[in-house]
Amino acid sequence: GENVEQHPSTLSVQEGDSAVIKCTYSDSASNYFPWYKQELGKRPQLIIDIRSNVGEKKDQRIAVTLNKTAKHFSLHITETQPEDSAVYFCAASRTGTYKYIFGTGTRLKVLA
Amino acid sequence: DSGVTQTPKHLITATGQRVTLRCSPRSGDLSVYWYQQSLDQGLQFLIQYYNGEERAKGNILERFSAQQFPDLHSELNLSSLELGDSALYFCASSVGSQSSYEQYFGPGTRLTVT
Repeated sequence: GENVEQHPSTLSVQEGDSAVIKCTYSDSASNYFPWYKQELGKRPQLIIDIRSNVGEKKDQRIAVTLNKTAKHFSLHITETQPEDSAVYFCAASRTGTYKYIFGTGTRLKVLA
Repeated sequence: DSGVTQTPKHLITATGQRVTLRCSPRSGDLSVYWYQQSLDQGLQFLIQYYNGEERAKGNILERFSAQQFPDLHSELNLSSLELGDSALYFCASSVGSQSSYEQYFGPGTRLTVT
């Protein structure tokens, strides 16, 4: 069945450094890839997404890249700040289906 | 604030009981999704409704059921509760029926079964 693998499960970086989280998907027909940020006890928040017709998308300090050939996509956070500390989930879906396939999450800790 | 509302915020109940969780989607959204998140775990998809009709089922137990009403709000019913049902329950909404639309999550209901 469809699967999304997410790595690493935990990531600690110094404030100001960059963080990269990678997801690999199994369904080659996947064409929509959202990223969610979840702070402790709070709701997942959509922070950025990308569709299969583009290779990269940026929003201020956050960017997502997509490699369709390798079937992986990555979240890049530059100039990390303590408030970036959270769990990040990737997901994949494709037209014609009705649910996201979520990754298992990455706990990011930004050390001040 | 995503525009998705969920009530109640917290619920404490005993094993064997039944509870109902409520979700109101964002204005204009026709789809509602339900997810379960146990402590420090990922998001487990339970079920999706679109404009009143069930569209997709995930890992939803037979003791759980849901429905979406004509005003588009949705309810998730959990019965014969067990300790292991303790979790955060989120609903999310999106404008379309398919998964290629953005989903916006509500604040969640924290269920504690004692």
